Amino acid sequence: EDKVVQSPLSLVVHEGDTVTLNCSYEVTNFRSLLWYKQEKKAPTFLFMLTSSGIEKKSGRLSSILDKKELFSILNITATQTGDSAVYLCAVLLSSNTGKLIFGQGTTLQVKP
Amino acid sequence: GAGVSQSPSNKVTEKGKDVELRCDPISGHTALYWYRQSLGQGLEFLIYFQGNSAPDKSGLPSDRFSAERTGGSVSTLTIQRTQQEDSAVYLCASSLVVDSGGYTFGSGTRLTVV
Repeated sequence: EDKVVQSPLSLVVHEGDTVTLNCSYEVTNFRSLLWYKQEKKAPTFLFMLTSSGIEKKSGRLSSILDKKELFSILNITATQTGDSAVYLCAVLLSSNTGKLIFGQGTTLQVKP
Repeated sequence: GAGVSQSPSNKVTEKGKDVELRCDPISGHTALYWYRQSLGQGLEFLIYFQGNSAPDKSGLPSDRFSAERTGGSVSTLTIQRTQQEDSAVYLCASSLVVDSGGYTFGSGTRLTVV
């Protein structure tokens, strides 16, 4: 069964801290790994990673994929209260349907 | 439209009643997806539409769940004889290119079955 596991499930930090969120996967027919941020209801797209070892970066957020060890990390540096959200990791399968397998999410709370 | 629109945003229904959830995708997006998010859980795939047909409906949890899409646009997810375990946020997403993963999600419908 295809599975995506995120850790930790929840995290509380203070503004300015750096956090690392983890995502491991066991799937058949891996195509890409995606990260989403969910603040209220609608997840918003952060990154799509297809190749190992190539860091994607957007401002204070960055992410990298390791296809040998089957995991990805999402780093957030100099955290701000606006980073508080649920971060979702998902794997896109090579199924020609665009179906995503999601992890449980990591709830991040950034305190002032 | 500018984004994916879902209605209603919240729905409270009595156990045993039928409900219809609506999704209006971004204009021109041929792929449409329904996901369900139960409290504290990740998103669970329900069904995928390409145009008006549903090549993958493997995630529908029971025959009480059905969905249709008309005109390659609006989709309706119907849950018959609702049960308390159906309580969740139902999210719709659309994408221009199938198999890209680059969805745009709607804000969802929060369904509460009492």
